[in-house]
Amino acid sequence: KQEVTQIPAALSVPEGENLVLNCSFTDSAIYNLQWFRQDPGKGLTSLLLIQSSQREQTSGRLNASLDKSSGRSTLYIAASQPGDSATYLCAVAPFTSGNNRKLIWGLGTSLAVNP
Amino acid sequence: DAGVIQSPRHEVTEMGQEVTLRCKPISGHNSLFWYRQTMMRGLELLIYFNNNVPIDDSGMPEDRFSAKMPNASFSTLKIQPSEPRDSAVYFCASSLSVQPQHFGDGTRLSIL
Repeated sequence: KQEVTQIPAALSVPEGENLVLNCSFTDSAIYNLQWFRQDPGKGLTSLLLIQSSQREQTSGRLNASLDKSSGRSTLYIAASQPGDSATYLCAVAPFTSGNNRKLIWGLGTSLAVNP
Repeated sequence: DAGVIQSPRHEVTEMGQEVTLRCKPISGHNSLFWYRQTMMRGLELLIYFNNNVPIDDSGMPEDRFSAKMPNASFSTLKIQPSEPRDSAVYFCASSLSVQPQHFGDGTRLSIL
């Protein structure tokens, strides 16, 4: 059974720091891995999607990497800003024929970037 | 562009009452998902539809929960009778095929 774990559960950093959020999964048979952001009282917003054949994806100051063999993904945020404060969730789409839209979610990392 | 629209945003009701949550997906999206989020269990998929047909309802907790998608632009999640342990934030999301899901802002449900 696929399980997704995110460490740490919470992180507080000063503005300007580069930081790394971690996601691990137990079954390497995945279709893709996705990172989402959730602001308080809001729904989730997709940040990056990495296909199983890819090693990384980049969007602006965000870079996500994927190592299927070790069951790990990292989300790197460069030059963090107070506006980056949010909860970041990792989700895995298992490689199951006909049902690869059912995501398995981590509990998230709550990030606070202090001015 | 209009995103996923959920109503109501907040619902407070007494135990035993029927609760109906509504969702309008993004036009053109062919998959719709209902999630429940709690502090203890995180985000859980309840059910998802593809082309208005339920594909996986294994996450529906029990018979008190039901979901329908009568057409491509509307879905409901119903709880009858409601219980205090159903209190959570319920999200609806939609997507086009295997593209990233787009989430609504959720319905915060409190059962007294």
